[in-house]
Amino acid sequence: GAVVSQHPSWVICKSGTSVKIECRSLDFQATTMFWYRQFPKQSLMLMATSNEGSKATYEQGVEKDKFLINHASLTLSTLTVTSAHPEDSSFYICSASQSAGNSPLHFGNGTRLTVT
Amino acid sequence: RKEVEQDPGPFNVPEGATVAFNCTYSNSASQSFFWYRQDCRKEPKLLMSVYSSGNEDGRFTAQLNRASQYISLLIRDSKLSDSATYLCVVNPWGNQFYFGTGTSLTVIP
Repeated sequence: GAVVSQHPSWVICKSGTSVKIECRSLDFQATTMFWYRQFPKQSLMLMATSNEGSKATYEQGVEKDKFLINHASLTLSTLTVTSAHPEDSSFYICSASQSAGNSPLHFGNGTRLTVT
Repeated sequence: RKEVEQDPGPFNVPEGATVAFNCTYSNSASQSFFWYRQDCRKEPKLLMSVYSSGNEDGRFTAQLNRASQYISLLIRDSKLSDSATYLCVVNPWGNQFYFGTGTSLTVIP
């Protein structure tokens, strides 16, 4: 089945530093990937839609200069949390679908970010 | 109106019980529907796609009611290991995916 790999699984960083999270589709090409954030006991929140070769589409309220998304190839999207602060501590998850329509989303294993 | 509405629960049921979750969706032209399971501090994992004719996988049955615009998930003979959050996902078209809020299930010994 389709596999999406996310790295790192877990990261602790100091306030003010930047953290890059990678999302790879291992056995299929993904023109579109999605980035989510989930706080404890809350629902998944879509942050942005990452489009290969073009700019990401951000959801309302998500700062594009803070959460930089790059989708340079059909199998890799990256999310960089810039100048991270403790309130950015969360569970970040990516997903991708094999093709448009009728295919389910496959999720990466998530990245737990803690900013101290 | 939200694209997808789902009762967040929580549902607390005894082992062996049958439990059902529903999700309603607003876009009548929606084509694809899925149920995911999410364990605490983990990513969602695909449980079942939902087909028009309904489909079954062991103790799990998924159904689609287009007339009333809802999908359902039935779990029979609940096990302790079924405790998780169950998410419905609707794909109305292309790369648009809408999520329910998730329903929390706890199966009690």
